[in-house]
Amino acid sequence: GNSVTQMEGPVTLSEEAFLTINCTYTATGYPSLFWYVQYPGEGLQLLLKATKADDKGSNKGFEATYRKETTSFHLEKGSVQVSDSAVYFCALSGWETSYDKVIFGPGTSLSVIP
Amino acid sequence: NAGVTQTPKFQVLKTGQSMTLQCAQDMNHNSMYWYRQDPGMGLRLIYYSASEGTTDKGEVPNGYNVSRLNKREFSLRLESAAPSQTSVYFCASRVIAYEQYFGPGTRLTVT
Repeated sequence: GNSVTQMEGPVTLSEEAFLTINCTYTATGYPSLFWYVQYPGEGLQLLLKATKADDKGSNKGFEATYRKETTSFHLEKGSVQVSDSAVYFCALSGWETSYDKVIFGPGTSLSVIP
Repeated sequence: NAGVTQTPKFQVLKTGQSMTLQCAQDMNHNSMYWYRQDPGMGLRLIYYSASEGTTDKGEVPNGYNVSRLNKREFSLRLESAAPSQTSVYFCASRVIAYEQYFGPGTRLTVT
């Protein structure tokens, strides 16, 4: 079945450091890929998405490219800020039998220190 | 648009009590979901509803029931609460194949 593997944290970075959070997936067909962010005490919200191979999703300085050849969707940001401290979830949406299933990775906790 | 709303925001129950968590969305989405989030466990799907009138079990349905009252509303019921159901509960909705929209969550403690 479909699955998502995501590097687990916690990750601690200094402000202005470069961020990479790895995400790889297993799926049949052509799934859509997402990154969600969860700030403390809140629900998840969409950060970015890509719906086909080689698409690049971007938002708030974050980027991720849908790489079908390596089945990856790594999240990157060139210069993190304290306000980026949150939990980040990689997710996949793809058909599995008759149901378009959403699969989440376990989440990566990021702390950015001044 | 309010998006996805959930009530209540916080709840404390005693073991054996029952309660219903309410969820509503105003985005005309067909698909709705209930998840629970426990520390170190990520998100786990309890139930989902692909359309009005249909519901299906997710990974962890035991101890829960759901009702898709209409297209907007999807409620989650705990018939006899147990301490193992202490968690944060999230409702979500979406148009199939697109991103999910999440509510703010209900923080439930069962003593």
